[in-house]
Amino acid sequence: NAGVMQNPRHLVRRRGQEARLRCSPMKGHSHVYWYRQLPEEGLKFMVYLQKENIIDESGMPKERFSAEFPKEGPSILRIQQVVRGDSAAYFCASSREPSGGGETQYFGPGTRLLVL
Amino acid sequence: RKEVEQDPGPFNVPEGATVAFNCTYSNSASQSFFWYRQDCRKEPKLLMSVYSSGNEDGRFTAQLNRASQYISLLIRDSKLSDSATYLCVVNPSNTGKLIFGQGTTLQVKP
Repeated sequence: NAGVMQNPRHLVRRRGQEARLRCSPMKGHSHVYWYRQLPEEGLKFMVYLQKENIIDESGMPKERFSAEFPKEGPSILRIQQVVRGDSAAYFCASSREPSGGGETQYFGPGTRLLVL
Repeated sequence: RKEVEQDPGPFNVPEGATVAFNCTYSNSASQSFFWYRQDCRKEPKLLMSVYSSGNEDGRFTAQLNRASQYISLLIRDSKLSDSATYLCVVNPSNTGKLIFGQGTTLQVKP
């Protein structure tokens, strides 16, 4: 009964490189959410995806960030040309149904990104 | 004004104490409310949902006041293992987007 899985758990990148973060939702869940937690701050919503569709990307920075959730395989959060300010913990969550009706979101262990 | 506001603390209490956390939210149309717990910046874990009538789960009681846009969490008989950051979370518009407060840190001392 695996929970939400994220990899890698830790990622170090130099400025200008690309970072790819992966999230496999819980079995039976088709709704995926990404959140970012900057040092000493709370979690901030980034994007909500369902299989092959972006439902809400209102929290995504306009440039360098993209997300996908293909029909097969994990959801990917991609950050191009990383900068030091991208250093944060990136959490993925999943739910069985859309979260709007109070459906619980279950969180993965997060990916800690450090940009040197 | 932040969408969800919490007193960051820290709250330092002895074992066995009763402690209460408060949270206010700005969007009066918000539909769903939760308390999550986060240990040492690991993943947040759902502690309990918060219902209009109030709800209790063991030593934990959550209350919602829609008129004041105020949510509370009461922990009775604190244990050392309750030491964590407690996150007030609101779903403002029946979408997948959860809005998190900054969290309130609790330290329970022997």
